[in-house]
Amino acid sequence: DQQVKQNSPSLSVQEGRISILNCDYTNSMFDYFLWYKKYPAEGPTFLISISSIKDKNEDGRFTVFLNKSAKHLSLHIVPSQPGDSAVYFCAANGNTGNQFYFGTGTSLTVIP
Amino acid sequence: DVKVTQSSRYLVKRTGEKVFLECVQDMDHENMFWYRQDPGLGLRLIYFSYDVKMKEKGDIPEGYSVSREKKERFSLILESASTNQTSMYLCASSGAGGAYEQYFGPGTRLTVT
Repeated sequence: DQQVKQNSPSLSVQEGRISILNCDYTNSMFDYFLWYKKYPAEGPTFLISISSIKDKNEDGRFTVFLNKSAKHLSLHIVPSQPGDSAVYFCAANGNTGNQFYFGTGTSLTVIP
Repeated sequence: DVKVTQSSRYLVKRTGEKVFLECVQDMDHENMFWYRQDPGLGLRLIYFSYDVKMKEKGDIPEGYSVSREKKERFSLILESASTNQTSMYLCASSGAGGAYEQYFGPGTRLTVT
């Protein structure tokens, strides 16, 4: 059963606007969350993370928001750039375990 | 910079062949992972290892085995390749415990004919 879900397989956004990618999880024991970006024919690269003790983490144009009560996190990209076009995966981990659980990915297209 | 390398970018094998995929990391990470990525299914964990000679099954271990004889190297073995194992295989490593990001290799696109 999928413990981390990304319900939008794709998203298109105009350059300069905000991109919002969403992720839901079911396991309340998860306490560390990550976003990865993946270009075709490359491995995923780490983008940004958030611990469950926070509800927001920013890194430049990227901000991750965590709503623990709703078991929901989102990635905001502002402003979006054509180079941001990629597949984005969210992942979750419980602090006592080593296994990461990944969502199915959202393909973001930023239109120039 | 962490570097995770995989032995091949592209591989074509025949049904029934034994296939070895090698992964090496250079950051002295305790944990290493093998995933496969398929369209619409995301990244699914095959096996992971948290120490030399230690391994844990992931979500889809059937048809696969692994070997970790040295800390920096983690091998994935397809005992008898089948066409449904055609996929992108990704290796990753991370520090011990949960609050560390994983670093991924470039992937191996395996085609079984």
